[in-house]
Amino acid sequence: QQQVKQSPQSLIVQKGGISIINCAYENTAFDYFPWYQQFPGKGPALLIAIRPDVSEKKEGRFTISFNKSAKQFSLHIMDSQPGDSATYFCAARNSGGSNYKLTFGKGTLLTVNP
Amino acid sequence: NAGVTQTPKFQVLKTGQSMTLQCAQDMNHNSMYWYRQDPGMGLRLIYYSASEGTTDKGEVPNGYNVSRLNKREFSLRLESAAPSQTSVYFCASSGAQKREKLFFGSGTQLSVL
Repeated sequence: QQQVKQSPQSLIVQKGGISIINCAYENTAFDYFPWYQQFPGKGPALLIAIRPDVSEKKEGRFTISFNKSAKQFSLHIMDSQPGDSATYFCAARNSGGSNYKLTFGKGTLLTVNP
Repeated sequence: NAGVTQTPKFQVLKTGQSMTLQCAQDMNHNSMYWYRQDPGMGLRLIYYSASEGTTDKGEVPNGYNVSRLNKREFSLRLESAAPSQTSVYFCASSGAQKREKLFFGSGTQLSVL
């Protein structure tokens, strides 16, 4: 059972364009929604995160939009650059546990063409 | 700071062989995790250790064992490797203050022939 569904699987964007990656979840106990960025040959690194008490969080060119009623959240990358080419994972944490395990989506491979 | 260090970076095993993947963190984190990453499958949790002295199963624990040797080190052992365990393995850690923020190592690419 996949608890966090991520789409698309891959995405190609031109330099300067907007990249949008979507995630959906079913478990209403999730209370923390991070996005991780992974470059080839490296481990994932936290990019930006949001809690369900806000609808949007922006850090530079990266924005998370959160829709609690629809149980969806998305990552928007404005003015996409070739250096943004990476795999992006959304994730969610269940507040019911004390172990802070994250459930990850399957990932989106983003390619930004120059 | 080195952060999270994993060894080895690459390993090739024959079916049935055993090996231990090593992980150490120098951030004084309480919690440590082992994930595997497979194409199209994302990151799946194998085992985790919420604190020194405790370990718990994750989503895909079969065929693996772990040891939290001390606060710094968390090892993953494959007792009898199978081709289905061909994957990239990532160790991660998180601190007491922000347990939800994971810091990942650079991974071990394992091939089981």
